[in-house]
Amino acid sequence: GEDVEQSLFLSVREGDSSVINCTYTDSSSTYLYWYKQEPGAGLQLLTYIFSNMDMKQDQRLTVLLNKKDKHLSLRIADTQTGDSAIYFCALDPNNAGNMLTFGGGTRLMVKP
Amino acid sequence: DVKVTQSSRYLVKRTGEKVFLECVQDMDHENMFWYRQDPGLGLRLIYFSYDVKMKEKGDIPEGYSVSREKKERFSLILESASTNQTSMYLCASSPGQGGYGYTFGSGTRLTVV
Repeated sequence: GEDVEQSLFLSVREGDSSVINCTYTDSSSTYLYWYKQEPGAGLQLLTYIFSNMDMKQDQRLTVLLNKKDKHLSLRIADTQTGDSAIYFCALDPNNAGNMLTFGGGTRLMVKP
Repeated sequence: DVKVTQSSRYLVKRTGEKVFLECVQDMDHENMFWYRQDPGLGLRLIYFSYDVKMKEKGDIPEGYSVSREKKERFSLILESASTNQTSMYLCASSPGQGGYGYTFGSGTRLTVV
């Protein structure tokens, strides 16, 4: 089955850019997602990228997809303390929205 | 605003109790899921359902059961709660097609004492 890997932890200073990485093994997903989980809360969908795209930008968020290397990244520009959270990448190998595979999550800590 | 609602944010139960965690979605979604989340272990799928009265085991179903009598409601049942079931429980739903991802509830933090 699909294997999705993320580093556990990232620490940045407020105002810097953050880059959260995700690698995967199965390249069949049409949609690749990024979720954000704030402390004590559920996951909320941040953004997604369609597999025929290399890049998607949405305000401070930039998603990069390197299909050859099976690598997905989320860049947060001008990182704020409110961006401190756990970030999960997720793939949809069945392309039916009924069995997402999640990475283990990356905890982003933003220092003032 | 579309929603997945979990009935309790925090719950404390005693060992051996039967525990019901309720989840309701208002989006007419086909699919519903129960996960547990523990530090260092990520999200682990307990059970899921693709339709009313239908259920499938996930990766860690032992000690749990589920019920889906109506499309909008998916209940997780701990038949006899144990301390190793202390965890954050997350419910999610999705439509029967790709491109929408999952919508998650706010989670229930369950403590079994």
